[in-house]
Amino acid sequence: NAGVTQTPKFRILKIGQSMTLQCTQDMNHNYMYWYRQDPGMGLKLIYYSVGAGITDKGEVPNGYNVSRSTTEDFPLRLELAAPSQTSVYFCASSHGGAGYGYTFGSGTRLTVV
Amino acid sequence: GQQLNQSPQSMFIQEGEDVSMNCTSSSIFNTWLWYKQEPGEGPVLLIALYKAGELTSNGRLTAQFGITRKDSFLNISASIPSDVGIYFCAGLITQGGSEKLVFGKGTKLTVNP
Repeated sequence: NAGVTQTPKFRILKIGQSMTLQCTQDMNHNYMYWYRQDPGMGLKLIYYSVGAGITDKGEVPNGYNVSRSTTEDFPLRLELAAPSQTSVYFCASSHGGAGYGYTFGSGTRLTVV
Repeated sequence: GQQLNQSPQSMFIQEGEDVSMNCTSSSIFNTWLWYKQEPGEGPVLLIALYKAGELTSNGRLTAQFGITRKDSFLNISASIPSDVGIYFCAGLITQGGSEKLVFGKGTKLTVNP
């Protein structure tokens, strides 16, 4: 059971560079989420999707973009990396929405220098 | 916006001791979830609570959904070294027809053998 798979695990970006954080799940979950976790700050929702072709902004969407062309994949795009985007990023999925609990990936640690 | 106040921020205990942590808010939540995060991993769901007053156990863990729906607590009995990690509470609210999960900032637990 792979669950939620995130790649890469670690990445260092220079200011202004772009990258895509990959997330894929094999549980046929409709709901998928992207969170960022900063030390001592808990988890903040960036974007979420309730199904293929549908995405919506969370609490902290600025500087990010997402797409959901398939049920399995939910990539997160950083177009112009900034130091403020240094964080640990978690992708999660749920079969029935937030109230059923999420399955989280193991995270991507991103450093922007 | 809705905020969860999770306390304590950190705990240092001896193996075998009981642990108690809680989350409070000025907002009413429909569901409370408790997660544990180990170093380098994503959070894992421990317990979900769906009704005010509900008391649910999962092994040595017990959690309760407060009567006012504004708080929840998590107890760990007879702690062991593998209980080490960060414990997060999360509350579910419904806004404008969409569900939103709000996370606390976490309680970092250290267990000394």
